[in-house]
Amino acid sequence: EAQVTQNPRYLITVTGKKLTVTCSQNMNHEYMSWYRQDPGLGLRQIYYSMNVEVTDKGDVPEGYKVSRKEKRNFPLILESPSPNQTSLYFCASSLQAWTGELFFGEGSRLTVL
Amino acid sequence: AQSVSQHNHHVILSEAASLELGCNYSYGGTVNLFWYVQYPGQHLQLLLKYFSGDPLVKGIKGFEAEFIKSKFSFNLRKPSVQWSDTAEYFCAVTSPYNNNDMRFGAGTRLTVKP
Repeated sequence: EAQVTQNPRYLITVTGKKLTVTCSQNMNHEYMSWYRQDPGLGLRQIYYSMNVEVTDKGDVPEGYKVSRKEKRNFPLILESPSPNQTSLYFCASSLQAWTGELFFGEGSRLTVL
Repeated sequence: AQSVSQHNHHVILSEAASLELGCNYSYGGTVNLFWYVQYPGQHLQLLLKYFSGDPLVKGIKGFEAEFIKSKFSFNLRKPSVQWSDTAEYFCAVTSPYNNNDMRFGAGTRLTVKP
């Protein structure tokens, strides 16, 4: 089944404790992206990747890192989480960036205390 | 700055009422337009898309949207909503000339009363 898989789905952590949210897709998509969803703000792009080893900042990259060593995986790293990073995070992928037909993961709800 | 605006934050309708959700974008030039839907507790799913051609596009579940280039708009419509349409709806835009620029509107929450 074609899907985008995120883990963990739910996480409560404390300020400063490094964490990684994994994202994996099985559709051989070139483009992958991370978004955060906050009430009243819609989805805001954190980072995106056009292909392996190619990543770039989105609208709200501060406090986040990503890597794209393999085509299928695009982990989101919070080196030192802060409470303002409490949010719902979505990973998405598409065959190519310009098509915009994104396939989304189920979401990861992160709470930073 | 390029942006996507959804004017209605929360819309409440009774079943069988007609729906129109507004979406305006500020991009110049060629754009690809999308509507995504997020049912409660679920991830976003593509509802419909417009790349070129007939400006009236039909999507899943009876939804349609009309691209009006002169108004920079891509409004979503459904003639008769159902309780199961209760969800959040997001308009999104990409530009072929700026591959990374997939921008979403803030979303419109639709509540359909049975």
